Amino acid sequence: SQQGEEDPQALSIQEGENATMNCSYKTSINNLQWYRQNSGRGLVHLILIRSNEREKHSGRLRVTLDTSKKSSSLLITASRAADTASYFCATDSYSGGSNYKLTFGKGTLLTVNP
Amino acid sequence: DARVTQTPRHKVTEMGQEVTMRCQPILGHNTVFWYRQTMMQGLELLAYFRNRAPLDDSGMPKDRFSAEMPDATLATLKIQPSEPRDSAVYFCASGPRGSGVIWYQETQYFGPGTRLLVL
Repeated sequence: SQQGEEDPQALSIQEGENATMNCSYKTSINNLQWYRQNSGRGLVHLILIRSNEREKHSGRLRVTLDTSKKSSSLLITASRAADTASYFCATDSYSGGSNYKLTFGKGTLLTVNP
Repeated sequence: DARVTQTPRHKVTEMGQEVTMRCQPILGHNTVFWYRQTMMQGLELLAYFRNRAPLDDSGMPKDRFSAEMPDATLATLKIQPSEPRDSAVYFCASGPRGSGVIWYQETQYFGPGTRLLVL
């Protein structure tokens, strides 16, 4: 079963608007990452937020993490047509040795209309 | 600029045939991951290596899948025999050299993927 689940599955907005995507997970994590995937391409890392952080910014991206609710949100401000892509959250869990898991959600497909 | 490369980019084969996918991690990266992406299951971690040693391949069907790193510049994922349910996009990712305890926090750099279709 998926650890991270994005919501909504699809989002369509106009250029210039803000886009908010959410991610919920089930078990304790060390970090949560957001990735972007353009159609037919590999994933591109956007931002990592550690479990002891609550908010992080990178350019037009703002990520929040609420470990009590086991959820994270990705906000893209002033969206552009080039932001059209699928966005995935990924959570990792590490308990020593080689026991490391990184699990991805199924993604939110964001369409930014010009 | 440094990129993860994967070959082939596309592969169409018949059920029962052997499939070998190759990945060249970014030079200097010491962690390599193999993922499979399908519409139904999303992105699944199949296996990963650190310093060429396999650390975890619990995500792989052991009877038909195998992953190796013959040297630091090449990782391979092999399916033998292939089945239609193996049709997916297979991604390789590499991670930079990090400290021994927080290497898993490092950013992963994904290749463009191999799109596999098994008929």
